Amino acid sequence: GESVGLHLPTLSVQEGDNSIINCAYSNSASDYFIWYKQESGKGPQFIIDIRSNMDKRQGQRVTVLLNKTVKHLSLQIAATQPGDSAVYFCAEILPPYFGNEKLTFGTGTRLTIIP
Amino acid sequence: DSGVTQTPKHLITATGQRVTLRCSPRSGDLSVYWYQQSLDQGLQFLIQYYNGEERAKGNILERFSAQQFPDLHSELNLSSLELGDSALYFCASSLTPFSGNTIYFGEGSWLTVV
Repeated sequence: GESVGLHLPTLSVQEGDNSIINCAYSNSASDYFIWYKQESGKGPQFIIDIRSNMDKRQGQRVTVLLNKTVKHLSLQIAATQPGDSAVYFCAEILPPYFGNEKLTFGTGTRLTIIP
Repeated sequence: DSGVTQTPKHLITATGQRVTLRCSPRSGDLSVYWYQQSLDQGLQFLIQYYNGEERAKGNILERFSAQQFPDLHSELNLSSLELGDSALYFCASSLTPFSGNTIYFGEGSWLTVV
């Protein structure tokens, strides 16, 4: 079965507020995680990634936190905008990378930004 | 636009039939991946090719097959179709070695089996 899962299937956030999307994984060997955003009718789009040698990584308005102790990662989106409404997936890749480059996706969280 | 082209965008076919989905990767990308996304489901990895050779296999049914051609485009063949095969099929490509921020997804092919 999947080793990556999401805590909540849906999340509604007021525009301008911060949002946090959570993801749990079960395989302690997992060491590379990616967050994808999928807008309606489109393919997943890379947001940010993090490797297990890091606890935190920041991008433009997004931050990913990785807690290896409890096998949990989160995606924080600051000052949410209507365009942030989408389904967000966390995905993992298990080593070895070359020759086994398959992403395992979680089921996704649908984020809705309330104007 | 990700640069990954998938055709057809929409396809309706009957049970028992066979269809072929086509994918053109981004220019220069050698790896092609196929994913299946059912309604309200996550993306299920099907298969990956690198420079014409099968590299990794996921939960791909025996009724399904794929290949990557010398020009690097790929085709996913779905046969003996069942209602449960109705889904959105995504192709993605990357320049190996794989890194999350270099994998790009196409817009997908909607398959409806009736």
